[in-house]
Amino acid sequence: NAGVMQNPRHLVRRRGQEARLRCSPVKGHSHVYWYRQLPEEGLKFMVYLQKENIIDESGMPKERFSAEFPKEGPSILRIQQVVRGDSAAYFCASSQPGQGRETQYFGPGTRLLVL
Amino acid sequence: QQQVKQSPQSLIVQKGGISIINCAYENTAFDYFPWYQQFPGKGPALLIAIRPDVSEKKEGRFTISFNKSAKQFSLHIMDSQPGDSATYFCAASISIGGRQLTFGSGTQLTVLP
Repeated sequence: NAGVMQNPRHLVRRRGQEARLRCSPVKGHSHVYWYRQLPEEGLKFMVYLQKENIIDESGMPKERFSAEFPKEGPSILRIQQVVRGDSAAYFCASSQPGQGRETQYFGPGTRLLVL
Repeated sequence: QQQVKQSPQSLIVQKGGISIINCAYENTAFDYFPWYQQFPGKGPALLIAIRPDVSEKKEGRFTISFNKSAKQFSLHIMDSQPGDSATYFCAASISIGGRQLTFGSGTQLTVLP
């Protein structure tokens, strides 16, 4: 049973470049959440997606950030024109539909460093 | 109102001792309270969780105590071991809606051998 997979594990970008983070949920899970963790801080909710739908993006900055969870393939968090303040660990979590949906399983994260 | 406040920020305990981490919340709509354990460079791992209809839940050396009237909950780690040294996060979510987790700021636990 594979858990939540994220890649890349580490990503270095220069200011102005694009960062693309991928998340494959636990098999059978159709709910995906993205969280951001700044150094020495807790995780902050960014966006909640179901297959082909964005359900709640209230925690995601309006500009430069976008997320998708297509019918086939992993969920993608895209950050355009990255700035140094985007440097953080980005975690994806997944949950199953229906009963037990409250339990979220986290991936190992992608650590983004913007130079 | 969406905040979850966690204390202490750091905690040092001797091996075999009891580690206690506290969290408080304001939003009475929260109805699911998990605790996550995170090791450096890793993702958070679910440790134990509780719903507000019970006051205590125990799994092995880990116990959650929940006080609904005070809007507080705590994690107790009995017989703390050096391998328990990690960062612990409390969190809360609401069943209506997306169930996104609101996290506390974390407690860095160090268990001395």
